[in-house]
Amino acid sequence: KNQVEQSPQSLIILEGKNCTLQCNYTVSPFSNLRWYKQDTGRGPVSLTIMTFSENTKSNGRYTATLDADTKQSSLHITASQLSDSASYICVVSARRGRGSTLGRLYFGRGTQLTVWP
Amino acid sequence: EPEVTQTPSHQVTQMGQEVILRCVPISNHLYFYWYRQILGQKVEFLVSFYNNEISEKSEIFDDQFSVERPDGSNFTLKIRSTKLEDSAMYFCASSRIGNQPQHFGDGTRLSIL
Repeated sequence: KNQVEQSPQSLIILEGKNCTLQCNYTVSPFSNLRWYKQDTGRGPVSLTIMTFSENTKSNGRYTATLDADTKQSSLHITASQLSDSASYICVVSARRGRGSTLGRLYFGRGTQLTVWP
Repeated sequence: EPEVTQTPSHQVTQMGQEVILRCVPISNHLYFYWYRQILGQKVEFLVSFYNNEISEKSEIFDDQFSVERPDGSNFTLKIRSTKLEDSAMYFCASSRIGNQPQHFGDGTRLSIL
């Protein structure tokens, strides 16, 4: 069964500190893995997208890693800011078929991050 | 930066009534999607749409659901006979290419009474 599991479910950190969020998946065949940030009451916003051959990708203070062998990914946030408070969702795309660029997305439940001043 | 816009932001409907949720994807995007998120649960895929036809749909997307691109700008989700369990946030998304990051709208909160 295609699933995406995230941990921790929630996390509280102080402003300026770093944190790492985890994602494990069983989606197959794998196409790519995405991290989204979802502010309360808003739609998800893409942070990174990684394909099978990519191990690390950065977007500002966000750095995502991918180990396709163990089917694990992490999202590291450096020097957290109050505006980082949001739900961070790991999303894995299943490859639809040979040559297809369209894949179905499987969402994790998200990690609710709260940054305190 | 171009955005996906959804209307209305909140829709309240009596059980059994039909409801149409509207979305305006980013203008040069070719792939369109609907998702739903029941309160407190994960986002779930409903349907993807490309080249004026459904590309893929989930088990949730049964005969009560339909999608349409009535013109060059709008993308709609119709729920024919709403049920209490259809209450959720419905997100529309679009992408330029199928495997590129999807841009999400801010959702329509659907409340079925």
